[in-house]
Order: sequence, then C-alpha cells, then structure tokens
Amino acid sequence: TQLLEQSPQFLSIQEGENLTVYCNSSSVFSSLQWYRQEPGEGPVLLVTVVTGGEVKKLKRLTFQFGDARKDSSLHITAAQPGDTGLYLCAGANTGNQFYFGTGTSLTVIP
Amino acid sequence: ETGVTQTPRHLVMGMTNKKSLKCEQHLGHNAMYWYKQSAKKPLELMFVYNFKEQTENNSVPSRFSPECPNSSHLFLHLHTLQPEDSALYLCASRPPGPTTEGYTFGSGTRLTVV
Repeated sequence: TQLLEQSPQFLSIQEGENLTVYCNSSSVFSSLQWYRQEPGEGPVLLVTVVTGGEVKKLKRLTFQFGDARKDSSLHITAAQPGDTGLYLCAGANTGNQFYFGTGTSLTVIP
Repeated sequence: ETGVTQTPRHLVMGMTNKKSLKCEQHLGHNAMYWYKQSAKKPLELMFVYNFKEQTENNSVPSRFSPECPNSSHLFLHLHTLQPEDSALYLCASRPPGPTTEGYTFGSGTRLTVV
C-alpha cells in the first residue's frame, strides 16, 4: 500500500482567509489528483497534475505537484463557505493503481 | 447529476438480510469500481471491473459479492453483513486510457448494519 498522508486532518477558518492543505508520501506517483467531497455526495475531481513542479490554478484554488512527484499542495485564496468539504488527494502509480489520501475536512465559517 | 447514479441512497439492514446496491453510468466508461468510505480512513478499493471483467478483488470478504452484467451497470450484493461494514459505499467509473483520467463518482449508498 502506498500511503498518502494529508494535513491538516481538520481545518476551520473564517470566510476570506487563505489556507493550504498538504498531501505527502514517500512514494513517487505518475500523476496526482485532487477531489472535493461535499456532505452526502461522492468526491468530485478538481484537477490532475502530472509533471513534477507543475502548478495549476482553478479560480481561487492553486495546486502544486512536488518536484519529486511525491507530494502536492492545495492553496485556497479568500475561502468561501462554498469551499466547505472534504478534500482528497489520490496518487496513481505506473500500474494505473490509485491510492487515496486520508482527507482534509475544511469548514469555512461565514 | 454526476453521470454515475447509485441506488438506494440510504440502506439500513439487519445482519441476516440480503440486499443489493446498484450503480449505473451512461458516460461510455469501461472501468467501474466499488469503494468503501469509513470515518477516519482513506477510501478503500473493493472491486474493479474492466469491460465487464473483474480485474481486482482487494481481499474483500465473501459477504460482499459484485456483479457487472454490462459496462453500464454494477451491483454489490450484500449478505450476512457485520456492524463494522456500516459505511458509505461509492461507485465510480473511468474511461480507458492514461492515468490522468479521473474518476466520476456516484453519490454513494450510506449503509447501516444493525
């Protein structure tokens, strides 16, 4: 099993604040994905990063893949209540197997 | 509408019951998955089907029995479950091809075993 650890596990912030969540592993991944899961729903894909050092932006969300392709971060600028949810990272190995992280539960307080 | 539909959304069953979870997608995807999501644990892969053929069984107890009659439908048959099997069961699909293609998940079935 290729373990992906996410931190922090829980995060509660005020609307308008910035935050960063992390996804770390000792394993190298061929690609890494971030998902957001809202209460009562399944995870929804936000982004896929493939190249070491790659940075992708999705409106107020910035995703970065580590140079060694072992870790990733998600930065949210000016968080809004609609950003509330469980954020999951998932790394894929060269055998096309995906491993999900432990998740970061984010609550944005209006 | 995520493209992957799961029914029922909620299920309460006794340990001696037999029930089935259903998953349906019309996205043209050829790979379908069952995942188990428990509190404070990463998503656990249970079964993988590619082109209707089971390609992975991740050491799942035999009280869980999957069925994939065609590329659009996936079932999970449940019998003599234990209380620790209570969890959110997620179905997902992916197109064939490179690993950059993400999963499309259903909304899940919240299962409670009493």
